[in-house]
Amino acid sequence: GDSVTQMEGPVTLSEEAFLTINCTYTATGYPSLFWYVQYPGEGLQLLLKATKADDKGSNKGFEATYRKETTSFHLEKGSVQVSDSAVYFCAGLSGTGRRALTFGSGTRLQVQP
Amino acid sequence: EAGVVQSPRYKIIEKKQPVAFWCNPISGHNTLYWYRQNLGQGPELLIRYENEEAVDDSQLPKDRFSAERLKGVDSTLKIQPAELGDSAVYLCASSQSFGEGEKLFFGSGTQLSVL
Repeated sequence: GDSVTQMEGPVTLSEEAFLTINCTYTATGYPSLFWYVQYPGEGLQLLLKATKADDKGSNKGFEATYRKETTSFHLEKGSVQVSDSAVYFCAGLSGTGRRALTFGSGTRLQVQP
Repeated sequence: EAGVVQSPRYKIIEKKQPVAFWCNPISGHNTLYWYRQNLGQGPELLIRYENEEAVDDSQLPKDRFSAERLKGVDSTLKIQPAELGDSAVYLCASSQSFGEGEKLFFGSGTQLSVL
């Protein structure tokens, strides 16, 4: 079945550091890919998405590019802030089969001032 | 605009007891989802509704879990009887429809502890 693999956390960075969280997806065909974020005490919310190869999703300074060759969707931000501390989930929605959103296990980011 | 509302926020029960979770989706959203999130894991889909019809319940343990979405608006997820392994966060989400790239809106979840 479909699966999402993302780097384990926690990731601890100092403010203004560069962030990369790796994500790869295994599926039949080419799925839509998403990054969701969960801030402390809040529900999951969509951060960005890409629906086809070479698309770049961006929001709040975060970016991710859908790489077709590796079905990767790595999340990046050039300069993180303390307010970015949260758990980040990579997810995919396959265009075939069951078509259920498949989530990775999440990566906790801690940004220190 | 109100988001997805879930209640209760926390629930602690003894094993073999019944428990129910309630969800009110965003107004106008036809698709409603129930997910289960185990500690340290990503959410896993239990059931998806299109209006009042359950169109994907293949991962719902039907021997003990049941769900309903009467009138195609709010929904209830029930477990009877609960087992220790059911301890998790139960998330409700909604979307306007179901399609490629569709954005899901999640509630804050119900954290269930089975003792």
